[in-house]
Amino acid sequence: GAGVSQSPSNKVTEKGKDVELRCDPISGHTALYWYRQSLGQGLEFLIYFQGNSAPDKSGLPSDRFSAERTGGSVSTLTIQRTQQEDSAVYLCASSLDAREQFFGPGTRLTVL
Amino acid sequence: KQEVTQIPAALSVPEGENLVLNCSFTDSAIYNLQWFRQDPGKGLTSLLLIQSSQREQTSGRLNASLDKSSGRSTLYIAASQPGDSATYLCASAAGNKLTFGGGTRVLVKP
Repeated sequence: GAGVSQSPSNKVTEKGKDVELRCDPISGHTALYWYRQSLGQGLEFLIYFQGNSAPDKSGLPSDRFSAERTGGSVSTLTIQRTQQEDSAVYLCASSLDAREQFFGPGTRLTVL
Repeated sequence: KQEVTQIPAALSVPEGENLVLNCSFTDSAIYNLQWFRQDPGKGLTSLLLIQSSQREQTSGRLNASLDKSSGRSTLYIAASQPGDSATYLCASAAGNKLTFGGGTRVLVKP
């Protein structure tokens, strides 16, 4: 079956613009996670969705970051008024019952 | 707050040697520990997952051990090959998220 997919694979934007990153989890996986990988900070947790429960947003770095998950499947991570320090690879993962996590290929975001 | 450390940050070995990658964590109250491989410009590939109740997991040439009391996990790769060159990341799971180490970048020279 298909793995986790993310789009776009690369995104270049200008400082101050909003961006949306998409994640399609593995079919049937109830848990979905967003992480950020940057040179200076390594891999950091951003947000977690589990079924219909309220998401765990404890890793979001600022209120410019938000995410939603529609119909318990596809998720969108939105970054408003992007800054240069937002440049990173954004990784999405999904899992069945919050166990082993399977990662997508990531979206490389560059903010000029 | 959980902290995960991987030493060394980089490792270079000749083909055929066994690889030993170390991972340490500060909080032993983990749900599981997962090892990943990352190739340049790619996402993470899950290699092995060790539940907190387990001591080790094996898959082919890979073996991972877990010692919660000392806060350590070790990934062994037997008879390394040039195709094993990649960055290897360990991550501890507690609650809803993974906490990652900084990774060990491995180069296997032919």
